[in-house]
Amino acid sequence: TQLLEQSPQFLSIQEGENLTVYCNSSSVFSSLQWYRQEPGEGPVLLVTVVTGGEVKKLKRLTFQFGDARKDSSLHITAAQPGDTGLYLCAGAPGGGTSYGKLTFGQGTILTVHP
Amino acid sequence: NAGVTQTPKFQVLKTGQSMTLQCAQDMNHEYMSWYRQDPGMGLRLIHYSVGAGITDQGEVPNGYNVSRSTTEDFPLRLLSAAPSQTSVYFCASSRLAGVRNEQFFGPGTRLTVL
Repeated sequence: TQLLEQSPQFLSIQEGENLTVYCNSSSVFSSLQWYRQEPGEGPVLLVTVVTGGEVKKLKRLTFQFGDARKDSSLHITAAQPGDTGLYLCAGAPGGGTSYGKLTFGQGTILTVHP
Repeated sequence: NAGVTQTPKFQVLKTGQSMTLQCAQDMNHEYMSWYRQDPGMGLRLIHYSVGAGITDQGEVPNGYNVSRSTTEDFPLRLLSAAPSQTSVYFCASSRLAGVRNEQFFGPGTRLTVL
């Protein structure tokens, strides 16, 4: 069974601060996804990273996939109250087509105070 | 295009009762899955299907049954509800697309078992 350790579990910061969320595993993943979830709704995909060392930017959000495809990070620059939510990382198994059997991290609850 | 729909939104059951959570998607996705979400545990895969007539167990299948008679529908059945099944349930769908497996989630069903 592949495990994804996500940290920190809770993050409470002021508007304008920077933050980083980490997702770590001892297993190799063929891809790593980041989702954001609002209260009462399902997760929504933010980004998928596939290549080791890949960096993707989505406005103030920067996603990185580790060189060995075992870990990933999400960095938010100048956080805003609208960034508040639950952030989830999810890995697809390595070794070819995976049929969508994602392994999710425990999630990071981010609160950005005005 | 409604995406992934789930019914009901909320449900309260007594221990021992049975019920079916409904899930439908209109994106012609081959892959569908059911997750449960509990505090501090991310999302855990219950059952999944790679196409009509094909289902398989995920990480936490005990106490749940599924069937896939059509591409669009993937109901989840609780055979004899237990308090440990109190959770938020999400249905998801995606294409069988190699390493990307980008999943689209429904809005969830919040289930309480008394």
